[in-house]
Amino acid sequence: AQSVTQLGSHVSVSEGALVLLRCNYSSSVPPYLFWYVQYPNQGLQLLLKYTSAATLVKGINGFEAEFKKSETSFHLTKPSAHMSDAAEYFCAVSVISGGYQKVTFGTGTKLQVIP
Amino acid sequence: DTGVSQDPRHKITKRGQNVTFRCDPISEHNRLYWYRQTLGQGPEFLTYFQNEAQLEKSRLLSDRFSAERPKGSFSTLEIQRTEQGDSAMYLCASSSGGTGKMGKNIQYFGAGTRLSVL
Repeated sequence: AQSVTQLGSHVSVSEGALVLLRCNYSSSVPPYLFWYVQYPNQGLQLLLKYTSAATLVKGINGFEAEFKKSETSFHLTKPSAHMSDAAEYFCAVSVISGGYQKVTFGTGTKLQVIP
Repeated sequence: DTGVSQDPRHKITKRGQNVTFRCDPISEHNRLYWYRQTLGQGPEFLTYFQNEAQLEKSRLLSDRFSAERPKGSFSTLEIQRTEQGDSAMYLCASSSGGTGKMGKNIQYFGAGTRLSVL
């Protein structure tokens, strides 16, 4: 079984400041990890994915995440926040089970960007 | 490639009524998933189709819920005798599957159908 813990349901940063959204995972097998972003009344958009290649993963909109096996973490960062980054972010862990991708999501972190 | 489409975007119904939602996946994707998302939570898996076969159902999918994908293309999710607890965002996702390579198993989501049961 796998699980995801996102630390902090709400995070506020000033425009131009570093964004750090925390995610820790638990998985009995080597996982695949994802970050999705959700804007109000929208579906989920894939930001980036870790699939056992490079541990530092770059995604869209300037976001990146680093897979740290020893810490079971996959934190999301962006050097400089933009107003358009205000949204809810979901970390997800996935394993292949029964021939399909079984995905478990965290509870989400709402990012507020203060002008 | 127009992405995953869901219809309607919003549905308001009275308790006890039946509702049906439709999902059109990305055209070349043979795998389709339904999720439910309640306020303050991440999406929770409901069911999975490979082509027209429903291969897995979550225990969240009570007897009042039924999903179909008759021709392996679009899918419908029906809720019978709706309850206030059914109020949520219902998300559909699709992926291309393949031979287990993760790149082909990435799920792409639609905008969701928000259900409000009064």
